[in-house]
Amino acid sequence: SQTIHQWPATLVQPVGSPLSLECTVEGTSNPNLYWYRQAAGRGLQLLFYSVGIGQISSEVPQNLSASRPQDRQFILSSKKLLLSDSGFYLCAWSLGTAALDGANVLTFGAGSRLTVL
Amino acid sequence: AQSVAQPEDQVNVAEGNPLTVKCTYSVSGNPYLFWYVQYPNRGLQFLLKYITGDNLVKGSYGFEAEFNKSQTSFHLKKPSALVSDSALYFCAVTPRGYQKVTFGTGTKLQVIP
Repeated sequence: SQTIHQWPATLVQPVGSPLSLECTVEGTSNPNLYWYRQAAGRGLQLLFYSVGIGQISSEVPQNLSASRPQDRQFILSSKKLLLSDSGFYLCAWSLGTAALDGANVLTFGAGSRLTVL
Repeated sequence: AQSVAQPEDQVNVAEGNPLTVKCTYSVSGNPYLFWYVQYPNRGLQFLLKYITGDNLVKGSYGFEAEFNKSQTSFHLKKPSALVSDSALYFCAVTPRGYQKVTFGTGTKLQVIP
């Protein structure tokens, strides 16, 4: 069965420090991978998504970047954190094929809560 | 551009009563539509989806949703609410053939004992 791991679960960082959140998926190949941010426990904002190694689509201009160095690994980074980067970050994956049943159903990780002070 | 609107920030319903959580969408072409649920400090869990065919879709935990193409809506329903249904519910849409999934702002469902 497929599993998704996301870490760290909780992170407190000072303004101006770097960030690295990591997400890995097991039990599948060539998944689509996503990073979402949830602010104040409500709406989900799509930050990045990837349909393959080295292929990153950025949805919102911001202080963050994403990389996909391996097929099942997705990393969210920042060189210098801002206060506004605080939030709950969710990684998700979906099937990368065009199978009709199950297409685009997202499976989410447990999330990483980032507090920037 | 695709978008999803969930017009109610919060829905309160008494236990045992039917519940409805509203969702409308905007997308080019035919959509895939989804409902997800989130419990506090957790990731989202998939509830149900509309791909094609029957407009009434049945999902997990007794939930169902009705796709209405003319009204571009995909409301979530349950005949009899449980206290354990209290959570944050998200509607999502993606155009067919694309991988970008857009979520609504979420509706907090509170089931009152």
